[in-house]
Amino acid sequence: DTEVTQTPKHLVMGMTNKKSLKCEQHMGHRAMYWYKQKAKKPPELMFVYSYEKLSINESVPSRFSPECPNSSLLNLHLHALQPEDSALYLCASSQGTSASYEQYFGPGTRLTVT
Amino acid sequence: AQKVTQAQTEISVVEKEDVTLDCVYETRDTTYYLFWYKQPPSGELVFLIRRNSFDEQNEISGRYSWNFQKSTSSFNFTITASQVVDSAVYFCALSEDQMDTGRRALTFGSGTRLQVQP
Repeated sequence: DTEVTQTPKHLVMGMTNKKSLKCEQHMGHRAMYWYKQKAKKPPELMFVYSYEKLSINESVPSRFSPECPNSSLLNLHLHALQPEDSALYLCASSQGTSASYEQYFGPGTRLTVT
Repeated sequence: AQKVTQAQTEISVVEKEDVTLDCVYETRDTTYYLFWYKQPPSGELVFLIRRNSFDEQNEISGRYSWNFQKSTSSFNFTITASQVVDSAVYFCALSEDQMDTGRRALTFGSGTRLQVQP
């Protein structure tokens, strides 16, 4: 089973709202990732978790707050977002963080900030 | 620094045509990994293949084939007898372990949008 699930599929939020994106994998992977993808662009890495610990934060603004409650779950908490944060947010997982491991992606959450 | 170039922004073909998507990479490392991902309109990136830098053997999987040539730093992807369901954005990516920082760096190309017309 090479499935990564993400909820919700679509999210519309105002700039003062607080919301969360959720990601789950049951492949026993120990690395999980959040990416942001703008239209017609490749995904951009935001965060990497390795063994439930944050290992990489690509200078993401603090209005994005990741959380890894356990090895299968990854959340992204959103607060006071800006319209330019509207994008497709993709979660991914891999066996580990070594370069040799392919990443498996979820279907994404399409976020619109109004 | 590593870089991946997919010079073809958009390709349009008619069903049953063969099509090749180009990928050229730059890296200073001797050990690295190359990937192809497919992103259909639904949004999910689907892993297609991984190749490591020591394995230059070409690979075929059904209608898909990959040609890895270290001499030209290219990792091209060919779809034979294309179908409408092949319509998607295809990303080539390069991954290497950065020994100085201990970080893995995964770099995507800008993607090639393939449209297969019926």
